[in-house]
Amino acid sequence: NAGVMQNPRHLVRRRGQEARLRCSPMKGHSHVYWYRQLPEEGLKFMVYLQKENIIDESGMPKERFSAEFPKEGPSILRIQQVVRGDSAAYFCASSPRAGGEKLFFGSGTQLSVL
Amino acid sequence: LAKTTQPISMDSYEGQEVNITCSHNNIATNDYITWYQQFPSQGPRFIIQGYKTKVTNEVASLFIPADRKSSTLSLPRVSLSDTAVYYCLVGDQAGGGNKLTFGTGTQLKVEL
Repeated sequence: NAGVMQNPRHLVRRRGQEARLRCSPMKGHSHVYWYRQLPEEGLKFMVYLQKENIIDESGMPKERFSAEFPKEGPSILRIQQVVRGDSAAYFCASSPRAGGEKLFFGSGTQLSVL
Repeated sequence: LAKTTQPISMDSYEGQEVNITCSHNNIATNDYITWYQQFPSQGPRFIIQGYKTKVTNEVASLFIPADRKSSTLSLPRVSLSDTAVYYCLVGDQAGGGNKLTFGTGTQLKVEL
């Protein structure tokens, strides 16, 4: 049973470009969470999605950031017009149910904005 | 959300037992205590979760006193591969990952 898969592992973008980060949850998991981690800091919650629904986006910036989790395919975190401050590690986690707090994390996508 | 406080870093040697204590003075009745481990360039990995007293699994033990205002993660006979950041989180069992707050964690360094 494959774990949470994130790709790409590393992503380099120039300022103003778009970044698309993908996350395939574990088989049977319909709850997906995105976190951002800056160097020497803990993970910060961004957005929580279930299939085709955004449940909580309170941690996601209102501008330039969006997320989706379609009925078919991976969850996508999209950052438009990236800026240097967007450089960070972005982690996706999945769980089979809403509660319980046992999350399964992917290996993350390291976004570098030049 | 209950705030947690844990040491920034700890050093140990292979074969020793390591105890990392986390303070959570305003823990709520419905809150559970969960510990995650994170290696460089990887996502956190669930270690253990408990509500009160003692919980043990194949990796670690979690000790929680009666007042639940603190908890201690115990790693028996650590090895070099246990060098990682350890996060203590407190949250409602019914809540999801959107209710989790990761602090800066405790950087454990294990040496020969």
